[in-house]
Amino acid sequence: SQQGEEDPQALSIQEGENATMNCSYKTSINNLQWYRQNSGRGLVHLILIRSNEREKHSGRLRVTLDTSKKSSSLLITASRAADTASYFCATIVLGGTSYGKLTFGQGTILTVHP
Amino acid sequence: DSGVTQTPKHLITATGQRVTLRCSPRSGDLSVYWYQQSLDQGLQFLIQYYNGEERAKGNILERFSAQQFPDLHSELNLSSLELGDSALYFCASSVAGVNTEAFFGQGTRLTVV
Repeated sequence: SQQGEEDPQALSIQEGENATMNCSYKTSINNLQWYRQNSGRGLVHLILIRSNEREKHSGRLRVTLDTSKKSSSLLITASRAADTASYFCATIVLGGTSYGKLTFGQGTILTVHP
Repeated sequence: DSGVTQTPKHLITATGQRVTLRCSPRSGDLSVYWYQQSLDQGLQFLIQYYNGEERAKGNILERFSAQQFPDLHSELNLSSLELGDSALYFCASSVAGVNTEAFFGQGTRLTVV
């Protein structure tokens, strides 16, 4: 099973609105990362938040991390049609034989209508 | 451009055949990851190498194997191919692995007919 689970699976909004995606994970993490993928293309790293951080900003992106609830959220403000893509959270497994394994959730498909 | 190069971009082959996918990581990156992405399975972690050594293994089939060479490029070998192996295969690299972001190649689209 996947380490990270995104919610919702799909999100459809109008340009200018904010988009919020959530991610839950199962085991202890060192950091949590968010990636974006345009259809059929490679993933692009958006932001990394460490386990001792609670919030991080990058341009129109805001990421929060709640390690007590094992969850994170990605907020895209003032969305644009160009933000249409799939968004994935990713975590790295610590410990055991899979140390360093970077695993992804199933992703949220975001559609921003002009 | 992420700096990660994957070849070939597209590959069409018949069932039962063997193919090799190649990945050149970003200059200076020691860690290489391989992923399989299909519509029904999402992005599945296959295997990770760090500086030539296998570091982590995911749901990689016994028909699949990989290695990382001294010049840090990596190859993923897929043998006895089945229709269900049709997917996008991504390679990613990172400087170290644990606290750093991963950079993805554009992928190899494998179609098994």
